[in-house]
Amino acid sequence: DIQMTQSPSSLIASVGDRVTITCRASQGISNYLAWFQQKPGKAPKSLIYGASSLQSGVPSRFSGSGSGTDFTLTVSSLQPEDFGTYYCQQYNSYPITFGQGTRLEIK
Amino acid sequence: EAQVVESGGGLVQPGGSLRLSCEVSGFNFKNYAMNWVRQAPGKGLEWVSIISDNGGSTHYADSVKGRFTISRDNSNNTLFLQLSSLRAEDTAVYYCAKDLWLDPWGQGTLVTVSS
Repeated sequence: DIQMTQSPSSLIASVGDRVTITCRASQGISNYLAWFQQKPGKAPKSLIYGASSLQSGVPSRFSGSGSGTDFTLTVSSLQPEDFGTYYCQQYNSYPITFGQGTRLEIK
Repeated sequence: EAQVVESGGGLVQPGGSLRLSCEVSGFNFKNYAMNWVRQAPGKGLEWVSIISDNGGSTHYADSVKGRFTISRDNSNNTLFLQLSSLRAEDTAVYYCAKDLWLDPWGQGTLVTVSS
């Protein structure tokens, strides 16, 4: 199975900050990577697929990059509504696997 | 707008069975693979199963293989998950989601396995 490791596990940042979350795969997954945002008590929401393609309706301050084993999710200017837990997911091979999550708090 | 709505969750005793449903709208269901993903209370996301667009191919997480069965009814735009031999560790919110990159998600349905 492909292990997905996110870092950091949690972070606190201020409105307007540039925030980067990283995701590392235990083996190469090309660009078969997605990112999700989940708020407490809510379903996850898809942000990015194909490592860098923004889902429709997702603000352009979110961006993704990477290929192979190393990936990043960047929020260019953090907004109050961006709090929550972020997950990466690989869909290169079965079983599909997720990172453990990164909890983002707004200072 | 593509939407999915899960139902069928509830309280079940260990060893029991349950059938979850996921009704979809806003997209051509028969053209897409569909997944089930679960989230235990306070935990992260765990992929459970996927079924191909025509139902001819399925895959499962090792943790549910042999106990859960995914299926679909393309005539009625509905995805199913049959849960059997349930264990306490199967307690979770179960979500359905479209495509390999899991979009969109429904609101989920809670399955609680307890005596």
